[in-house]
Amino acid sequence: QKEVEQDPGPLSVPEGAIVSLNCTYSNSAFQYFMWYRQYSRKGPELLMYTYSSGNKEDGRFTAQVDKSSKYISLFIRDSQPSDSATYLCAMISNAGGTSYGKLTFGQGTILTVHP
Amino acid sequence: NAGVMQNPRHLVRRRGQEARLRCSPMKGHSHVYWYRQLPEEGLKFMVYLQKENIIDESGMPKERFSAEFPKEGPSILRIQQVVRGDSAAYFCASSSGGDWAYEQYFGPGTRLTVT
Repeated sequence: QKEVEQDPGPLSVPEGAIVSLNCTYSNSAFQYFMWYRQYSRKGPELLMYTYSSGNKEDGRFTAQVDKSSKYISLFIRDSQPSDSATYLCAMISNAGGTSYGKLTFGQGTILTVHP
Repeated sequence: NAGVMQNPRHLVRRRGQEARLRCSPMKGHSHVYWYRQLPEEGLKFMVYLQKENIIDESGMPKERFSAEFPKEGPSILRIQQVVRGDSAAYFCASSSGGDWAYEQYFGPGTRLTVT
């Protein structure tokens, strides 16, 4: 079983739709949860990060973390064609030690927003 | 541009040759991480370095791969005697480390093709 599971999609939505992207994980030591956006043949771009459980909002993006269910989500409101990309969830433990710097990624979800 | 820089962006090597990938971290960052993205797979952690120190190399293949981050100059990921299975995108990320290890910023990547 992978430590982080993410449905690869692809996901296709019309412009203006609300997009929901999700990841589940098995390692209870994960404390920080990140979402990255990756355009084709580019490097991942950090969108948002959340510490522990709760919600965080930034413009059209909302990140949610439910540690009791080991489930995280990213919502995109009023989606735009420019949001078309691969979205990667990533997690890290703050347990200290040598594993502290290691991000564990989901496989990524391919999103297409069509006009 | 104060972002993470990687070169070369594209590298073609014949089987058996050596590949050297370079990464200059974001200004003010002294922690560097290397990740590999194989076709149809997510990003996988390889190694975490600080200046002159390897902190975590748990994701590095045991043979042919090495990494360094000297006191002066960029971090180098070296792959000796490349094989076709080494063809992938290699990404470098940097952070301030410590409590900010989760906030990793990625470079554009080096796409290695082994012929």
